[in-house]
Amino acid sequence: NAGVIQTPRHKVTGKGQEATLWCEPISGHSAVFWYRQTIVQGLEFLTYFRNQAPIDDSGMPKERFSAQMPNQSHSTLKIQSTQPQDSAVYLCASSSSYEQYFGPGTRLTVL
Amino acid sequence: GQQVQQSPASLVLQEGENAELQCNFSTSLNSMQWFYQRPGGSLVSLFYNPSGTKQSGRLTSTTVIKERRSSLHISSSQTTDSGTYLCAMAGFASALTFGSGTKVIVLP
Repeated sequence: NAGVIQTPRHKVTGKGQEATLWCEPISGHSAVFWYRQTIVQGLEFLTYFRNQAPIDDSGMPKERFSAQMPNQSHSTLKIQSTQPQDSAVYLCASSSSYEQYFGPGTRLTVL
Repeated sequence: GQQVQQSPASLVLQEGENAELQCNFSTSLNSMQWFYQRPGGSLVSLFYNPSGTKQSGRLTSTTVIKERRSSLHISSSQTTDSGTYLCAMAGFASALTFGSGTKVIVLP
């Protein structure tokens, strides 16, 4: 089992550009979660899917952020018109019940 | 909303000393996890422990639901235990709410 896979591991974008982050959950896990980690804010929940359906996006900034899960094997987090304050490590986790397993994260740097 | 308070914020140990990390939560929970993270590293799950006591090597997690607290005990600390320890809780079918973490430094 490869665990949760996230790509790319590092991404650098210019202000105003778009960034798409990918997550491949552990096979058989029905829930996928996205979190963001910064030094100032710590770990914050963004959104999650269960059986590919969006369940809770209460942590997502309403503008510029969107997430999808088109099939059970991957989810994407898209940030449009990236801003310097979007710089963070974006973490994906998957779960088959309550325990969550985290991927290595994507470090996004917006210049 | 859910709140998770972790203490202490940081801790310096001499190798061989024991340590107790605390996590208090404000609402009822269905899930409690402890994680370990090195600087720039991934979140490594140490324990999934919604109630009772679990042990893995030199680490022991105890969650007391009635008192809304969970603790992580490190015995005979080693320099390789240095890093940040995070607790996180979740209500029913919801995402994790994380504490702010305890940064542990173990000196040789």
